[in-house]
Amino acid sequence: QQQVKQSPQSLIVQKGGISIINCAYENTAFDYFPWYQQFPGKGPALLIAIRPDVSEKKEGRFTISFNKSAKQFSLHIMDSQPGDSATYFCAASGRNFNKFYFGSGTKLNVKP
Amino acid sequence: NAGVMQNPRHLVRRRGQEARLRCSPMKGHSHVYWYRQLPEEGLKFMVYLQKENIIDESGMPKERFSAEFPKEGPSILRIQQVVRGDSAAYFCASSRDFNTEAFFGQGTRLTVV
Repeated sequence: QQQVKQSPQSLIVQKGGISIINCAYENTAFDYFPWYQQFPGKGPALLIAIRPDVSEKKEGRFTISFNKSAKQFSLHIMDSQPGDSATYFCAASGRNFNKFYFGSGTKLNVKP
Repeated sequence: NAGVMQNPRHLVRRRGQEARLRCSPMKGHSHVYWYRQLPEEGLKFMVYLQKENIIDESGMPKERFSAEFPKEGPSILRIQQVVRGDSAAYFCASSRDFNTEAFFGQGTRLTVV
């Protein structure tokens, strides 16, 4: 049973466009929702995270939108760049802060 | 300030052999987490350890897998009698406290032949 569902599996965006990745969760006990970026051969690196007391968080070109009632959250990458090409994972955790349930990943390819 | 160090980066084992994966947490971090990533999938939680204690091993397979984090030295994930299905990337993460950000290492890619 997958606790966090992520879509799409892959995404191709032109340079300068907006990349949007969506995640949905079931467990209402989750209260921390990070996004990780992973390059080939590397470990995941924290990109941005949100708690359910806010509906949006923005850091530079990266924005998380959070819909608590729908149990959904999404990552928006504005002005996407070829250097953003990587695999992105959403995750969720609850009381055990660093025990993450990861989505299956989205492979983003930003074309120059 | 070195990050989380995992070694080896790549490990090849024949079926039936033992695999030992090591993780040195960041300086000042006493909480360690192990995750497994199968090809084209997300990471799956395996085990959470503090120094000399296993806190949560709910993601560990019941047989052949064990983990430790001794008072001195790195955390070790041990897989006995490896099978082809154990081939995966194993990531370690560490944090200063149970509710602070965890940082991931670069992983050990285990291939069972």
